[in-house]
Amino acid sequence: GAVVSQHPSRVICKSGTSVKIECRSLDFQATTMFWYRQFPKQSLMLMATSNEGSKATYEQGVEKDKFLINHASLTLSTLTVTSAHPEDSSFYICSAREDRLNYGYTFGSGTRLTVV
Amino acid sequence: GNSVTQMEGPVTLSEEAFLTINCTYTATGYPSLFWYVQYPGEGLQLLLKATKADDKGSNKGFEATYRKETTSFHLEKGSVQVSDSAVYFCALVRAAGNKLTFGGGTRVLVKP
Repeated sequence: GAVVSQHPSRVICKSGTSVKIECRSLDFQATTMFWYRQFPKQSLMLMATSNEGSKATYEQGVEKDKFLINHASLTLSTLTVTSAHPEDSSFYICSAREDRLNYGYTFGSGTRLTVV
Repeated sequence: GNSVTQMEGPVTLSEEAFLTINCTYTATGYPSLFWYVQYPGEGLQLLLKATKADDKGSNKGFEATYRKETTSFHLEKGSVQVSDSAVYFCALVRAAGNKLTFGGGTRVLVKP
């Protein structure tokens, strides 16, 4: 079945530094990838939608300069949290969609980011 | 716009009890409906789905039926296990290529 690999699973960084999270579709080509943020005991909040080779579409209220998304190939999307601050600490989850799966959305295992 | 409402948790059950998690939705047209499960510290896994009215999705003993007349997609399992302890999300997508709309999630705790 479809597998999405997300790395790292956990990362701790200092305030002011940048962190990159990778999301790879291992056995299929993902036309569209989605990035979510999840606060403790809450639902997933969609941050942005990225299509291969084009700029990401950000949801209202999400700072595009802070959360840089790159979708350079059909199998890889990255989310970079720039100049991270403690309030950016959260659980980030990516998801990939492939048209042949007929509405199938495969999720990564998530990244726990802690900014100290 | 689209929205999904599911019962708030936590839901605490004993092993072998019957589980129901209510989910209702608001959407135009004919959305596809999903249940996802999230185990602690992990991403989401698709549990089951239904793409048209009266379809029944089933997997691992869980079932949900797409009810157009009541705009509902309630999740049920006849006999839960401790390993079913997780957070369950109801979701919909209105058409191909669109983003998923999630409910708020329901935490289920099954005690031995």
